[in-house]
Amino acid sequence: QVQLQESGPGLIKPSETLSLTCDVSGYSISDGYYWGWIRQAPGKGLEWIGDIYHTGTTHYNPSLETRATISLDTSKNQFSLTLNSLTAADTAVYYCAKDLWAFDVWGQGTRVTVSS
Amino acid sequence: DIVMTQTPLSSPVTLGQPASISCRSSQSLLYDDGNTYLSWLHQRPGQPPRLLIYQISKRVSGVPDRFSGSGAGTHFSLKISRVEAEDVGIYYCMQATQYPYTFGQGTKLEIK
Repeated sequence: QVQLQESGPGLIKPSETLSLTCDVSGYSISDGYYWGWIRQAPGKGLEWIGDIYHTGTTHYNPSLETRATISLDTSKNQFSLTLNSLTAADTAVYYCAKDLWAFDVWGQGTRVTVSS
Repeated sequence: DIVMTQTPLSSPVTLGQPASISCRSSQSLLYDDGNTYLSWLHQRPGQPPRLLIYQISKRVSGVPDRFSGSGAGTHFSLKISRVEAEDVGIYYCMQATQYPYTFGQGTKLEIK
């Protein structure tokens, strides 16, 4: 059974760079599937950030311009999100998810607050 | 970007009665491979979303058969035949036919 678990800093200052990691268990990420990041601002809906294929191919939401980068670490069986030039608008719960043209497995989410 | 529009945004329902949510996309969600990548998710407060239905009408293992999805092209719907207390929360439709993936605004299902 595939399970995902996000980890991150919790509180981060504006203009800094956010780094989040998603640990995957029950499946080797190098074997297949897309692996995605989604976020949810307080009291708001879901926003797709981007995904990465097991080969390393990535796609991003243009709304984030060039601020987001998703990468794989197959040795640790995890994938990561970095988001730079943070503002208060980036305050959200960040989820990682397994993506097969539908998000069938989700992590519990990690809350990120951008504040000085 | 494909815009996903859900109606209603709020749905008060009596226990045991049916409920229906509509989702419309600004473009056809039919992909070149013949599949339509429209899914429905359910989110309870403080919980991550849970996938209920994918490719319009395919129920995820373990999802009760009172949930059903239908539609084609740009018009889709999720129906709950008899609402139970555990069904409260927010329902989202999502398209994965075209990047960037996009979600509907969410429909809040609550018990009258």
